[in-house]
Amino acid sequence: GNSVTQMEGPVTLSEEAFLTINCTYTATGYPSLFWYVQYPGEGLQLLLKATKADDKGSNKGFEATYRKETTSFHLEKGSVQVSDSAVYFCALSDRSGGYQKVTFGTGTKLQVIP
Amino acid sequence: DSGVTQTPKHLITATGQRVTLRCSPRSGDLSVYWYQQSLDQGLQFLIQYYNGEERAKGNILERFSAQQFPDLHSELNLSSLELGDSALYFCASSEGEGQASSYNEQFFGPGTRLTVL
Repeated sequence: GNSVTQMEGPVTLSEEAFLTINCTYTATGYPSLFWYVQYPGEGLQLLLKATKADDKGSNKGFEATYRKETTSFHLEKGSVQVSDSAVYFCALSDRSGGYQKVTFGTGTKLQVIP
Repeated sequence: DSGVTQTPKHLITATGQRVTLRCSPRSGDLSVYWYQQSLDQGLQFLIQYYNGEERAKGNILERFSAQQFPDLHSELNLSSLELGDSALYFCASSEGEGQASSYNEQFFGPGTRLTVL
């Protein structure tokens, strides 16, 4: 079956530091890849997505590139802010049995300190 | 605000009991998804409904059941509760049922925190 593996947290960074959260996946076929973010006390919300190999998703200064050769979709941001503190989930979507199925990673907690 | 509402926000109950969680999708969304988020299992997909019909099943226990009503709201019923059922339960909705080649973005509600004592 499909699976998503992301780096364990928590990740603690100082404000303006560079962020990388690693994500690798296992899937048959050609899945779409996503990063979701969960702020404290809230539900998940879509941060960015990429639907085919070499696509780069970007939003709010975050970006991730769909690398089929390394089956990876690492999340990066050049300069994090305190407001970026949240849990980040990598996910993939494929059409299993004719219907879309989303598989989430376990989440990586990011804490940004001033 | 995603437009997806869930009630109640918190629920505390005892082992062996039965509870019902409610979800109202975004206006116009026909698909509803239920997820369970626990510390040890991460985010697990439970079940999906589209326009009143079950579409996909994930890791949903037999003690759990769900339905989607004609007004498109959905309920997740959890029975014979065990301590291990304590978790955050999320509902998400999307416009379509996910068959198209393009991804139907899922919009998540704020969740219901269930505590089983």
